[in-house]
Amino acid sequence: NAGVTQTPKFRVLKTGQSMTLLCAQDMNHEYMYWYRQDPGMGLRLIHYSVGEGTTAKGEVPDGYNVSRLKKQNFLLGLESAAPSQTSVYFCASSYPRARRGAYNEQFFGPGTRLTVL
Amino acid sequence: GQQLNQSPQSMFIQEGEDVSMNCTSSSIFNTWLWYKQDPGEGPVLLIALYKAGELTSNGRLTAQFGITRKDSFLNISASIPSDVGIYFCAGQLQGGKLIFGQGTELSVKP
Repeated sequence: NAGVTQTPKFRVLKTGQSMTLLCAQDMNHEYMYWYRQDPGMGLRLIHYSVGEGTTAKGEVPDGYNVSRLKKQNFLLGLESAAPSQTSVYFCASSYPRARRGAYNEQFFGPGTRLTVL
Repeated sequence: GQQLNQSPQSMFIQEGEDVSMNCTSSSIFNTWLWYKQDPGEGPVLLIALYKAGELTSNGRLTAQFGITRKDSFLNISASIPSDVGIYFCAGQLQGGKLIFGQGTELSVKP
């Protein structure tokens, strides 16, 4: 199993350009997440999905859109990139929460390093 | 919004030394997690804690879930060079979402 994969690994954009980051998982997970990681701020949740065809906003959703057309894929879009979106983006996936007190581990991809000039 | 305060932000230690880092929150969490991120990789789960007061070990790692449910600590004993990386605490919210601390960057000198 490849686990969680992300493409591309690196990208440089100019302000105003658009792009889509692709996340794919082969573990048949229901839940998928997009995070951004900035120095000194940990990981912050952008958007997430609890199943095919559903998405929801996380902590920092502004400037991003997502789609989950297939269970195994979760796309993150930037319609008009801004320098403030320079970051490392991580995708993760997990099974649903099984029961109270249980944690279904989130498995992370290797990340996409995005620079917006 | 909810925040986790993790300290220290960075540590530089000698191989063989023990390491301790902690995480505090103004909110109560029912699950505390510790993740490690190797350079250039995504985070990987080290330990999950489910009960207040719980002490859990994973090899040289030991983590505790604070009695108040607002804090947790992680200890690493006899550090080795491969312990280098960023360690994150995280608290789990309803629906499985996670809130992460800012991270502790660990450097180990051989």
